[in-house]
Amino acid sequence: DSGVTQTPKHLITATGQRVTLRCSPRSGDLSVYWYQQSLDQGLQFLIQYYNGEERAKGNILERFSAQQFPDLHSELNLSSLELGDSALYFCASSVGSSGSETQYFGPGTRLLVL
Amino acid sequence: GQQLNQSPQSMFIQEGEDVSMNCTSSSIFNTWLWYKQDPGEGPVLLIALYKAGELTSNGRLTAQFGITRKDSFLNISASIPSDVGIYFCAGITQGGSEKLVFGKGTKLTVNP
Repeated sequence: DSGVTQTPKHLITATGQRVTLRCSPRSGDLSVYWYQQSLDQGLQFLIQYYNGEERAKGNILERFSAQQFPDLHSELNLSSLELGDSALYFCASSVGSSGSETQYFGPGTRLLVL
Repeated sequence: GQQLNQSPQSMFIQEGEDVSMNCTSSSIFNTWLWYKQDPGEGPVLLIALYKAGELTSNGRLTAQFGITRKDSFLNISASIPSDVGIYFCAGITQGGSEKLVFGKGTKLTVNP
């Protein structure tokens, strides 16, 4: 158990819909990272938040957004969903803001868009 | 952007055999990490390497940070059935916006 929690574990929705994925980092960690894992693309970094502020951006679509709240949990919002958005979405956390720290991953949310 | 080339893509071995996999890149990395992912689970950190040339062990696992900072390998000795899974290398880039870049993974199958 990494100490990172993610909900829900599974999500099935339809194209055009909007969903919110939630992540709680390990106790004491200030950074939260979001990743997308699909079969053909592997693990892709989406975005990082540190202590409530956006820190780094990766291959995140404009239809996707994230935020980190004062209690340090984070939400990833996916809107206007397309079939190709079906994937595993992972959250990871680390202590500080530097990308050179090791990250601990949650169990993931499996999203299926029909 | 930075890319990691991980090989082999998959391996089928007998229980008790040793395994070796590696990652290479044309870019320099500050940190190399090795993760294992079981089906339906998130990646779990196995070994972290922070210095060029560093050799680190974790039980039957040994990983090295290449001298050129552009490669790393992971060895698993005396494999057992629970070693089955996908192993990912990941690197953290040098300078600028530091992001974790993942290899495509090595799928390991261990036959009892």
